[in-house]
Amino acid sequence: DAGVIQSPRHEVTEMGQEVTLRCKPISGHNSLFWYRQTMMRGLELLIYFNNNVPIDDSGMPEDRFSAKMPNASFSTLKIQPSEPRDSAVYFCASRPTGTPNEKLFFGSGTQLSVL
Amino acid sequence: GQQLNQSPQSMFIQEGEDVSMNCTSSSIFNTWLWYKQDPGEGPVLLIALYKAGELTSNGRLTAQFGITRKDSFLNISASIPSDVGIYFCAGSGSSNTGKLIFGQGTTLQVKP
Repeated sequence: DAGVIQSPRHEVTEMGQEVTLRCKPISGHNSLFWYRQTMMRGLELLIYFNNNVPIDDSGMPEDRFSAKMPNASFSTLKIQPSEPRDSAVYFCASRPTGTPNEKLFFGSGTQLSVL
Repeated sequence: GQQLNQSPQSMFIQEGEDVSMNCTSSSIFNTWLWYKQDPGEGPVLLIALYKAGELTSNGRLTAQFGITRKDSFLNISASIPSDVGIYFCAGSGSSNTGKLIFGQGTTLQVKP
């Protein structure tokens, strides 16, 4: 079975540009999570969805960040405008229906560099 | 907010040695988990602990949920080169939210 699929794997952009990160969760999983990983702050939860509905976005750093989940098989995380401090690895994770919330399956991440 | 203190920050050991790392928290968790992250990949769940005092093994890995519910440790016995990576503890204070709090990670290097 395919795992959580993220694209692109690497993104290099200039400050001020719009960045869109994409995620396809594992089929049948009803919860989706966006995490950010940096050396300074480690792994931080940005937002998560249950059944395509955003449940908690308290981790989203600023209004420049937005996330959508238009259907059960696709989610995007958008940064507009991007800034150098947004450089990090962004992970998407999904969780099977009816299992303990901790059993998250992570994608391989998107390495974002904002110059 | 809740924070996890994970130690040591890094370890460099000889193949065959045993490894121990731990996590402590200032608040109680209902669940403790240990993840491993290989370079260029996302974290992968190794062990999940759901009950205070619980001791669980997964091959050469053993983890325990502290009695106080504020700490956990992970042991790796007879380390091998493929154990190299970053190990994260994570805690959950409530159910069905997925709001895991992650430790800062322990980077393990194994010398063949």
